[in-house]
Amino acid sequence: EDQVTQSPEALRLQEGESSSLNCSYTVSGLRGLFWYRQDPGKGPEFLFTLYSAGEEKEKERLKATLTKKESFLHITAPKPEDSATYLCAYAGFQKLVFGTGTRLLVSP
Amino acid sequence: KAGVTQTPRYLIKTRGQQVTLSCSPISGHRSVSWYQQTPGQGLQFLFEYFSETQRNKGNFPGRFSGRQFSNSRSEMNVSTLELGDSALYLCASRPRQDYEQYFGPGTRLTVT
Repeated sequence: EDQVTQSPEALRLQEGESSSLNCSYTVSGLRGLFWYRQDPGKGPEFLFTLYSAGEEKEKERLKATLTKKESFLHITAPKPEDSATYLCAYAGFQKLVFGTGTRLLVSP
Repeated sequence: KAGVTQTPRYLIKTRGQQVTLSCSPISGHRSVSWYQQTPGQGLQFLFEYFSETQRNKGNFPGRFSGRQFSNSRSEMNVSTLELGDSALYLCASRPRQDYEQYFGPGTRLTVT
């Protein structure tokens, strides 16, 4: 069965302390790997789409990378406003399948 | 461009009642998907509509239904509400398949 697993479940960082979030997937015929950010009580906000192994995308302090079996979301010198839940999802047949997310807390 | 809008934002219902939630997609987007989000299960796919046709359905009971209108606006209905239906219901739109989905703010449904 197609699956997507995110780790760690929760991550606490000090402001400026860089780290990476992991999204591993077992799916045949990946049609897209998506990263979203979700703040409490709000809908997920789209961040990146990755389609093929080796692809990288950047936005401010965030960089997403993709291999054949996993994707990483690298956070460089995070700030408290980066605190949120980060979700990855793969594009299955006519639907997105989401991981359970990584809750990131960045302390000043 | 205006984002995805959902109404109402908050709703409190009693067990056994039914509820209808509404979603207006981004202008030009013909695909609308619905998701249920709970702390225990995360984001679970309910169904997707494209040009008024249901294209795919998640693993939810028949009490959950939806439809899409010719202007791409969509509604979902839950009949005979149960306590376990309390969740954040999210609507997402995209222009076509294999593109990223854009989410609305959600409707928080509480069943008492």
